[in-house]
Amino acid sequence: DAGITQSPRHKVTETGTPVTLRCHQTENHRYMYWYRQDPGHGLRLIHYSYGVKDTDKGEVSDGYSVSRSKTEDFLLTLESATSSQTSVYFCAISELGLLGGYTFGSGTRLTVV
Amino acid sequence: DQQVKQNSPSLSVQEGRISILNCDYTNSMFDYFLWYKKYPAEGPTFLISISSIKDKNEDGRFTVFLNKSAKHLSLHIVPSQPGDSAVYFCAASAGRGSTLGRLYFGRGTQLTVWP
Repeated sequence: DAGITQSPRHKVTETGTPVTLRCHQTENHRYMYWYRQDPGHGLRLIHYSYGVKDTDKGEVSDGYSVSRSKTEDFLLTLESATSSQTSVYFCAISELGLLGGYTFGSGTRLTVV
Repeated sequence: DQQVKQNSPSLSVQEGRISILNCDYTNSMFDYFLWYKKYPAEGPTFLISISSIKDKNEDGRFTVFLNKSAKHLSLHIVPSQPGDSAVYFCAASAGRGSTLGRLYFGRGTQLTVWP
């Protein structure tokens, strides 16, 4: 939808294993974001990127790392998954000027067992 | 600390009536506000926005009101329809040039519109 796709859509993984989620856009937007959505917490920013190889931490970045080697791809890695990282993860893209704000992907539901 | 607050986790309204969703913010630097709507198993989608130079913005059945002195905004849906049942997120930004246009989100309000 709107040129942004997330993969995988669903994943179950074991505690302690590394996990990488992918966000791919075809809009050539400069900014990309990773959020997690949890009941009672809404949308919380994990990391964001303002260009290739330019990334910064959000409010809940512990346990996560990101990489952006190309404009179109933004990867979120859980180095050693924990049960507290069970969540729905959303990627978003935007350009300056806001107007409509962000465009979100459809989400990745991650379960850590 | 939450800079954008939606204090009502849920709202139930009968079809045809008005739905009013509320949002408060604490950061006086916020000057652009948005509402997003989210259905289950989908990403949030943009609904309506308002700049701080306005106090009202209308788009069809949806109207957003901004009260800067009270740091409060509200979303009115008239008339409400069952298809409006979703989670609504309020979001705010502190200017186009600062913090990369980063949006700060509230925790969301689940709206249920019943027939």
